[in-house]
Amino acid sequence: TQLLEQSPQFLSIQEGENLTVYCNSSSVFSSLQWYRQEPGEGPVLLVTVVTGGEVKKLKRLTFQFGDARKDSSLHITAAQPGDTGLYLCAGGGPTSGTYKYIFGTGTRLKVLA
Amino acid sequence: NAGVTQTPKFRVLKTGQSMTLLCAQDMNHEYMYWYRQDPGMGLRLIHYSVGEGTTAKGEVPDGYNVSRLKKQNFLLGLESAAPSQTSVYFCASSSRVSGRGTGELFFGEGSRLTVL
Repeated sequence: TQLLEQSPQFLSIQEGENLTVYCNSSSVFSSLQWYRQEPGEGPVLLVTVVTGGEVKKLKRLTFQFGDARKDSSLHITAAQPGDTGLYLCAGGGPTSGTYKYIFGTGTRLKVLA
Repeated sequence: NAGVTQTPKFRVLKTGQSMTLLCAQDMNHEYMYWYRQDPGMGLRLIHYSVGEGTTAKGEVPDGYNVSRLKKQNFLLGLESAAPSQTSVYFCASSSRVSGRGTGELFFGEGSRLTVL
């Protein structure tokens, strides 16, 4: 069974600080996705990383896929209150030869103004 | 653009009662999924469907049944609700060719179910 573990589970920081969230697995994934979920809503895709060692940037968010494709990280520079939410990594799907998407345990981020 | 719509959004049941959650998507997606979300446990896959008339079990299928009689609809049923099924349920859909990359999941807003 493929498992995705995220750390930290909770993070509370001041506006302007930097942070990194980790997503780790003992299994290899063809691709990993990162989603953000706000209260009362469903998760929304932020990015998909597909190549080992790949780095993608989305404004102040930087996503990295590990060389061995077993782990990924999300780094936020100069966090803002609007970044508050639950961050989820997910693996699987058709690119991994399965229709199932497995989600990590999530990192709940709170950015204080 | 509606996307993925779930009904009902809230429901309270007594132990042993049955109910059905409806998920409807208007994006002509082939794949549909039902997840449950519990504190500290992320999203866990209950059942999924890769096309009309087909369903398959996910990680936590016990106590649930599903049907996909039409491509746009995916129903999740609880035949005899238990307190352990108290959760927030999310439906998602996906297509092979999607907006921002391979296999993006589009989620509904969730259905909060409480079983007393």
